[in-house]
Amino acid sequence: GAGVSQSPSNKVTEKGKDVELRCDPISGHTALYWYRQSLGQGLEFLIYFQGNSAPDKSGLPSDRFSAERTGGSVSTLTIQRTQQEDSAVYLCASSLGVVGTSGGDQETQYFGPGTRLLVL
Amino acid sequence: AQSVTQLGSHVSVSEGALVLLRCNYSSSVPPYLFWYVQYPNQGLQLLLKYTSAATLVKGINGFEAEFKKSETSFHLTKPSAHMSDAAEYFCAVSHTGFQKLVFGTGTRLLVSP
Repeated sequence: GAGVSQSPSNKVTEKGKDVELRCDPISGHTALYWYRQSLGQGLEFLIYFQGNSAPDKSGLPSDRFSAERTGGSVSTLTIQRTQQEDSAVYLCASSLGVVGTSGGDQETQYFGPGTRLLVL
Repeated sequence: AQSVTQLGSHVSVSEGALVLLRCNYSSSVPPYLFWYVQYPNQGLQLLLKYTSAATLVKGINGFEAEFKKSETSFHLTKPSAHMSDAAEYFCAVSHTGFQKLVFGTGTRLLVSP
């Protein structure tokens, strides 16, 4: 079956512009996560969705970052007024996220290929 | 707070040699532990996971890891390295199954012929 997909795969933007990054999770996965991978900071958690709600958004670095999820499926991460330090690979992951599902795989997070963002 | 320490940003082995990548964790509650592999310009792929069942966990591509509570370790091993194992490996911990992963800084495995 299809895995997690992300678009665009690469994005080059100018400082001060807004960008939107999209994540399509695995069908049926109720939990969705955004992470950021950068040279200086490694892999950092940004936000976690359960359904359309975000019970943990503690990793968003500033109020320029926001995310939403609609229909319990697609999620969009928006960065407003981009800065050069926002340059990184943004990774999305999804998991079953439902307690009691069979198979014992509900805790595994499956990652997409990432969006490589470069802010000039 | 949870944290993960991966000793060695780079590990070099010869093809056919033992691979040992070290991971120590800190967690105030029983952890879920994961090893992921990342090939160049790709996302993360799960190698194996520990979720409080068997302490010796076998994963894909011949890798395994042993959870040692007394040492707070979850080291990754493979008896015989292959050239295709060259990649970056990340150890991660989570509090429960549905919360964020906290990653180590990663270890780049280099395999020479």
